[in-house]
Amino acid sequence: QSVLTQPPSASGTPGQRVTISCSGSSSNIGVNFVYWYQQLPGAAPKLLIYRSNQRPSGVPDRFSGSKSGTSASLAISGLRSEDEADYYCAGWDDSLSGWVFGGGTKLTVL
Amino acid sequence: EVHLVESGGGLLQPGGSLRLSCVASRFIFSTYEMNWVRQAPGKGLEWISYISSSGSSIHYADSVKGRFTISRDNAKNSLYLQMNSLRAEDTALYYCAGYYNRGGFSWGQGTLVTVSS
Repeated sequence: QSVLTQPPSASGTPGQRVTISCSGSSSNIGVNFVYWYQQLPGAAPKLLIYRSNQRPSGVPDRFSGSKSGTSASLAISGLRSEDEADYYCAGWDDSLSGWVFGGGTKLTVL
Repeated sequence: EVHLVESGGGLLQPGGSLRLSCVASRFIFSTYEMNWVRQAPGKGLEWISYISSSGSSIHYADSVKGRFTISRDNAKNSLYLQMNSLRAEDTALYYCAGYYNRGGFSWGQGTLVTVSS
């Protein structure tokens, strides 16, 4: 059971906007940044969002992150077939003194 | 661009030991905080250990505490994970992942550890 809670699956059609939620607590998301990673099939994870809402260079602006209280979300607009992947949220947990991940959300593009 | 290459994985029996290595290049390794993260087959990501840029601060997940030891050699641009008393549930792809100034993890390609009798 993961410390951060994500829905196991999400789906959308090409061009749609989808959001993936990530629920935490006062010891992680509530007080620290949230990070989002994309893992394509058979590949290593890749950073999508850092510091809750910042995009690394090279990540399309179709991807955006937000945080409110002890929850965060990743939004993907203009959905494309190549966005089909697993998405993980993560953050530092002050109580555990370690990084915690969500269980991952498998995004299907219909 | 951050480049990380893990090695040292393999097949071994329960109770065995293994040392993983991660060699870094194309960035100033000594300024990065480093981690080991693993992924069991078909499962999600699990953080297992952290080491600060100088090596002075170390943390472990409860699942590996007392069995695994993280270390680094900044002169060799290398990160290590000594794994002892291995169990079947330690079977996973092990990634090294580093970050600087809360910028998010950069990842290696992983090395596979299989624990089976």
